[in-house]
Amino acid sequence: SYVLTQPPSVSVAPGQTARITCGGNNIGSKIVHWYQQKPGQAPVVVVYDDSGRPSGIPERFSGSNSGNPATLTITRVEAGDEADYYCQVWDTPSEHVIFGGGTKLTVL
Amino acid sequence: QVQLVASGGGVVQPGRSLRLSCAASGFTFSSYALHWVRQAPGKGLEWVAVVSYDGTKQYDADSVKGRVTVSRDNSKRTVYLQMNSLRPEDTAVYSCASGRDSYGSAFFEHWGQGTLVTVSS
Repeated sequence: SYVLTQPPSVSVAPGQTARITCGGNNIGSKIVHWYQQKPGQAPVVVVYDDSGRPSGIPERFSGSNSGNPATLTITRVEAGDEADYYCQVWDTPSEHVIFGGGTKLTVL
Repeated sequence: QVQLVASGGGVVQPGRSLRLSCAASGFTFSSYALHWVRQAPGKGLEWVAVVSYDGTKQYDADSVKGRVTVSRDNSKRTVYLQMNSLRPEDTAVYSCASGRDSYGSAFFEHWGQGTLVTVSS
């Protein structure tokens, strides 16, 4: 079945840019969504449909999927961005939702 | 305000069954697909199953195939997950989430807080 690969962890200093990658076979042909999950809380979508940003999500969050890997970019990182981030796709051949393994973003 | 409240979790012995429910409010329940997602302690998100807006289509993950049935009652604004032949590796917090479309291929727009299922003898 389809597999999404994320780095287990990414660390960045406040004010810098964090890039979290999501790799998969021919991922550019799929639609990628990104979720933020803080400890003890339900996930929240921060980017949908590769690069869409829901209302209420800061412009600092952006996504791209022009090839392998897809990338979530967070500019001007703040302490409050520290969380686990998951990418997700719908795999049409298997009719399955696929999540990446998650990336823990640490703000130094 | 959208709410998705899961219930029915608990401690169950291996091989037994459990039925989870998720009651929804605050959105047009009958228009959207509903998913179950689980998260084992300290682990990542794992999709379990989805039911289409009208209940006519269901898809489930390979890890639970043949052991779970997802259904919904739009009149009660509730989605269900019947889990059979439970295994210790099914231990997780089970949450429901609404999809942004009718059949389950779009992103998860709203999430509930989940109910803990512990499979142990």
